[in-house]
Amino acid sequence: SQTIHQWPATLVQPVGSPLSLECTVEGTSNPNLYWYRQAAGRGLQLLFYSVGIGQISSEVPQNLSASRPQDRQFILSSKKLLLSDSGFYLCAWSVRRAWERRGVTDTQYFGPGTRLTVL
Amino acid sequence: ILNVEQSPQSLHVQEGDSTNFTCSFPSSNFYALHWYRWETAKSPEALFVMTLNGDEKKKGRISATLNTKEGYSYLYIKGSQPEDSATYLCSRPPGTYKYIFGTGTRLKVLA
Repeated sequence: SQTIHQWPATLVQPVGSPLSLECTVEGTSNPNLYWYRQAAGRGLQLLFYSVGIGQISSEVPQNLSASRPQDRQFILSSKKLLLSDSGFYLCAWSVRRAWERRGVTDTQYFGPGTRLTVL
Repeated sequence: ILNVEQSPQSLHVQEGDSTNFTCSFPSSNFYALHWYRWETAKSPEALFVMTLNGDEKKKGRISATLNTKEGYSYLYIKGSQPEDSATYLCSRPPGTYKYIFGTGTRLKVLA
């Protein structure tokens, strides 16, 4: 069966410090990968998605970046955190289907999340 | 920007009551509508994906309907149980691999 891991589970970082959150998926190949953030009182916001190694699409301009160095590894980074980066970060994956090019009906499977507090 | 609105924001019901809540979205360029359940301390889990106007999906005591012409979906829970307590999210992708989520309806079922 497929599993998705995220770490760390919680993180407290000072403003201006760097960030690295990691997500890995097991039990599947060539997944689509996603990073979401939920800020306080808001819905899930799609930050990045990736349909393959080295392929990253950014949805929201910000001081965050994402990388996919391996097929089942997705990393969220920042060089300098802002207070507004605080929130709950979720990684998700979906099955890549050759006939579903838009991915609009794909079920997403979410990781356990990382609670980030920037002070 | 595509807005997905959910109402009510929160809801308290007694065990055994039936309840429903709404997901509203722009009806143009519709592709699909997803419902997820997010229990505290767990990850969001998929409930339904619906694509056709008039779609109705059911999973145990939970069902959902879809009206793409007027831009809304209803989620129904029959005979609510404490284990139904969760935040229910809807998501409407406006395009390729993009998902816009509502802020959710937080349901608390009182025993």
